[in-house]
Amino acid sequence: ETGVTQTPRHLVMGMTNKKSLKCEQHLGHNAMYWYKQSAKKPLELMFVYNFKEQTENNSVPSRFSPECPNSSHLFLHLHTLQPEDSALYLCASSQEWTGPGQPQHFGDGTRLSIL
Amino acid sequence: AQKVTQAQTEISVVEKEDVTLDCVYETRDTTYYLFWYKQPPSGELVFLIRRNSFDEQNEISGRYSWNFQKSTSSFNFTITASQVVDSAVYFCALSEAGNAGNMLTFGGGTRLMVKP
Repeated sequence: ETGVTQTPRHLVMGMTNKKSLKCEQHLGHNAMYWYKQSAKKPLELMFVYNFKEQTENNSVPSRFSPECPNSSHLFLHLHTLQPEDSALYLCASSQEWTGPGQPQHFGDGTRLSIL
Repeated sequence: AQKVTQAQTEISVVEKEDVTLDCVYETRDTTYYLFWYKQPPSGELVFLIRRNSFDEQNEISGRYSWNFQKSTSSFNFTITASQVVDSAVYFCALSEAGNAGNMLTFGGGTRLMVKP
């Protein structure tokens, strides 16, 4: 049983829709991450939040808008997406962002398909 | 610059065979951490192990073992007597102490298929 829960597991949306991905962690961590995993490409870090503050934005297009209301919840708001945005979106958490070498714990991901 | 290479994109074995997944890394830091994660078809990346650069002792956990060799910048993962449930994509990752934060650099992954 994972300590990081993502909903929905699957999402199909048109390019003009607006939807949100949700992530919740039950591990008492303070850092949360969004990753994108596309076929044939390495995992790409998108955003990092540490104690609810955004610390990393890896040049992600503005059609992806993250929100972190508290250390346990992380959202990714989607609007006007493109077909190339179809991918598996993974949420992760770790104790903190500062300090390397902390294992990140991942959710099952949301598989997103853009029509 | 940090980099992780998993040269084997796919490996197919028959159940009960031993299999080794290769991982080669590049870093300029003297302090760093190496990880292995397993991604089964369900999608979740499952943390398997973390090693720091000062500890070259090999580690064994059940059927899993890891061989860390700084001389060759490698951190290889061996599954002994493989089982169908071992079928997954396995990722090696690197975290450097010189990074601003807890950034992981992942390799491209190795897809392991274990056939009955």
